[in-house]
Order: sequence, then C-alpha cells, then structure tokens
Amino acid sequence: EAAVTQSPRNKVTVTGGNVTLSCRQTNSHNYMYWYRQDTGHGLRLIHYSYGAGNLQIGDVPDGYKATRTTQEDFFLLLELASPSQTSLYFCASSAGTANSDYTFGSGTRLLVI
Amino acid sequence: GDSVIQMQGQVTLSENDFLFINCTYSTTGYPTLFWYVQYSGEGPQLLLQVTTANNKGSSRGFEATYDKGTTSFHLQKTSVQEIDSAVYYCAMRDGGNTGKLIFGLGTTLQVQP
Repeated sequence: EAAVTQSPRNKVTVTGGNVTLSCRQTNSHNYMYWYRQDTGHGLRLIHYSYGAGNLQIGDVPDGYKATRTTQEDFFLLLELASPSQTSLYFCASSAGTANSDYTFGSGTRLLVI
Repeated sequence: GDSVIQMQGQVTLSENDFLFINCTYSTTGYPTLFWYVQYSGEGPQLLLQVTTANNKGSSRGFEATYDKGTTSFHLQKTSVQEIDSAVYYCAMRDGGNTGKLIFGLGTTLQVQP
C-alpha cells in the first residue's frame, strides 16, 4: 500500500544537538514536503522538493536543512537544535499536479531540552 | 499574496448538532480547494477536494461548496458524531506552479456525547 513513513516517531535531543528526521514515500510522487505543526500556527512549510537532488525553501526554513537523496527519501536536518524547534514534524508527498492532494506521514514529535 | 483564512479556532458541539466551519481564500484564478482532517495522534488526511469543474465535494457526510463569488469553501455536516472530533484544515493549491498547498490555521472540533 502506498504510504508516507516517518522515523523516528519520537525524538529527544539537547540544545545544540544534531538531529535527522527521515521520510520515505512509496507513492511514486515527485513532490515531498516537510512541515512543522505548532499550536496557534497550524502547518508551516519548512522545505520541499520536486525530485531527487532538488531542494526548495519553504516559509520557515531558518535552522533547518533538507536533502532529497532519491525520489523516495527526504530528510530534514537540524544541525544545532534549539528549544524553539520543539514541535511536531510532518512529511508529505504529492504528485504536484493542479488537482493532486498531499499524503501525510504520521509525524515525528521532537523535543529539544 | 495567496492566503486561506479559518476564523474559528475551536468549535464545541453536541452529538447530532449541525456543523459549519468557515473558510475563505484569497488568490487569483480558481484553484483546487481541499479540506483535511487530523485525528489525534495521526497526520492530516484528505477529507474532500473540489475543483471549479465540480463545485461541490462530499465525503463521510461532510460537504463543501466552492463559491467563487464570496471566495469561500465552508465545511458543513448535518449531524456530527463524537468520532468527528478532530482538527479540520482548509487548504488551496498555490497560485504559482510550485506544487504547494496553502493551509488555514485549522479548526478544532470537539463533539460532546
């Protein structure tokens, strides 16, 4: 079954730590996205990609890097984690056409202490 | 710029009440519009989508109508149940050719038994 799988499900790190969030999709979609979800802010786009090796900046990119190694795999990197990056992170994929929707993963909850 | 507005942050109803969640959008042209639902502990999932071709979408008893005149896409359900308790996001396709969706801030629906 086509899906978006995120790992880990939960992560705790210390301030200044290095964190990598992983996302894999089996939908054969070209587009992949990283969002963070915070109370009062809804879903905010961090980075996205429309294919392997491509990276586009989203609306809240500061403090985040991303890399799309294959069509299936999209990674979000926090190289110097800060408490302000404590959040629930979602990955999504999409065919990217005018009428196509997103398929979301189940999320990664990150706590930076 | 493009935007999606959901004014209601929280809605509390009793079972069998009528649900109405307000959503308005701002963009040029006539984008595809979406409603997503997010249950506790899960990622958002597509509830319904509407294009200018079909004007109305429905799913699981929910209905939304694309109103170009008032640029609105309100979500309605005649009789809500406790299992409908979730966060509902209105979204639209970005006006540029970016493959992105623009989300509203979300409306938390709590249905009391």
